[in-house]
Parts: sequence; structure tokens; C-alpha cells
Amino acid sequence: NYALTQPHSVSGSPGQTVTISCTRSSGSIASNFVQWYQQRPGSSPRNLIYEDDQRPSGVPDRFSASIDGSSNSASLTISGLKTEDEADYYCQSYDSGSLWIFGGGTRLTVL
Amino acid sequence: EVQLVQSGAEVKKPGESLKISCQGSGYDFTNYWIAWVRLLPGEGLEWLGIIYPGDSDTKYSPSFRGQVTISADKSTSSAYLQWISLKASDTAVYYCARSLGGGYLDFWGQGTLVTVSS
Repeated sequence: NYALTQPHSVSGSPGQTVTISCTRSSGSIASNFVQWYQQRPGSSPRNLIYEDDQRPSGVPDRFSASIDGSSNSASLTISGLKTEDEADYYCQSYDSGSLWIFGGGTRLTVL
Repeated sequence: EVQLVQSGAEVKKPGESLKISCQGSGYDFTNYWIAWVRLLPGEGLEWLGIIYPGDSDTKYSPSFRGQVTISADKSTSSAYLQWISLKASDTAVYYCARSLGGGYLDFWGQGTLVTVSS
């Protein structure tokens, strides 16, 4: 098993760009696809990114993601920050035997 | 329209049993996995397990194996999450969500709040 570690919180002002990291504790980040989910207060989670960097239809292109083997991490970048982006963000990947692992979540505050 | 509709909020006492449901509509229920994910108060998402209703193939998180039972009924397009003996630490919002091929979760239910308190 491994863990996915995210910063507890990040913040930014409207219009700014923020990046949320997700670091894999062991094994290569490239070994298994990484997904990102957004959960607004009182709502169900919503998929933002699948298979490392793919956006489902309906997700604005302000949301982008990548993986970095040198830091063994994935990153979610939100550009042109809006107040509606204030939410919790989770990365998710897989372990052997098709077991799913979620990161601890990052609270984004839009100042 | 794809929908996953979950059963309503539950309040239970420690030691009681419970089965919550998730009914899918608007798609072929037997061709997508259904995952169960929970959100603990003040904490993050946790994956409990996943089931393929087509053949009831089920995988559990090691943390929840033996603690919960996941099942599905193709005839009613429903998936279930069951406890035999609830604990206070089971208090959480439980979500079901759909996955194609065991990959990412593209549609989520509205969540079921389970409160376990004496």
C-alpha cells in the first residue's frame, strides 16, 4: 500500500492561479492513473480530471492536471480562480488488486 | 439521464444493523461498477469497495473488509451497503458512484447520512 499526500489547504484571489499537489509515498506516480474530484460544501463529489490529465465534458478548461515523475506527484491547476471554485479537492489513484486510494483532500479558499 | 438515487438518512444505535441502497437509472446498470465512498465528519473521502452488478464481482478496501457487505440486485438496478453491527465511528455520509471499467467515478449519488449514536 501507499499514501497520497495533499496539502491541507491552499488559497488564492479571484483571477489568480493555484496548484494543488498530490504526492505518492511509494511506487511510481506513473504506475496508475490519477483522478481529481471536487466537492463543494453540501454537494456530492464531481470528477474534474481522469486518467492523469483528461477533462470530462462540461469541466471548464480552467482546470488542468499533470503528473511529474521527478517529484513523484500529480498536480491540479486551477486558473482564473472564481469564488465558485471554493471547495475540497481530492486526488485518487489505484493500488495492486484494483484497490482505490484517495488523498486526504485540500480545502481551497478563494479570498 | 443517468441518475443514482440513494436511500434516506438513517439514525441508529451502536450494535444495530443497517442496509442502505443506491438505485441506478438511465444507463445499463449491469455494465458499470458501483463504488461506495464515505465522507467522515471533518475528514476526507474513503473508498470502501466496489461491485460489478453484472456478475457481483466485489472488491473491498482492506480497512473495510469484514466490516461491511456490498451487494447488488440486477433486477432492481440497485446496489447495497450493509452493516451487521454499527459503531459510532461509522457515522458518515456514504456515497455510491458509477465507474466504467473500474476507472474513474463519473456519476455520484446524493449521499446517505448515517448517524450512529446511543
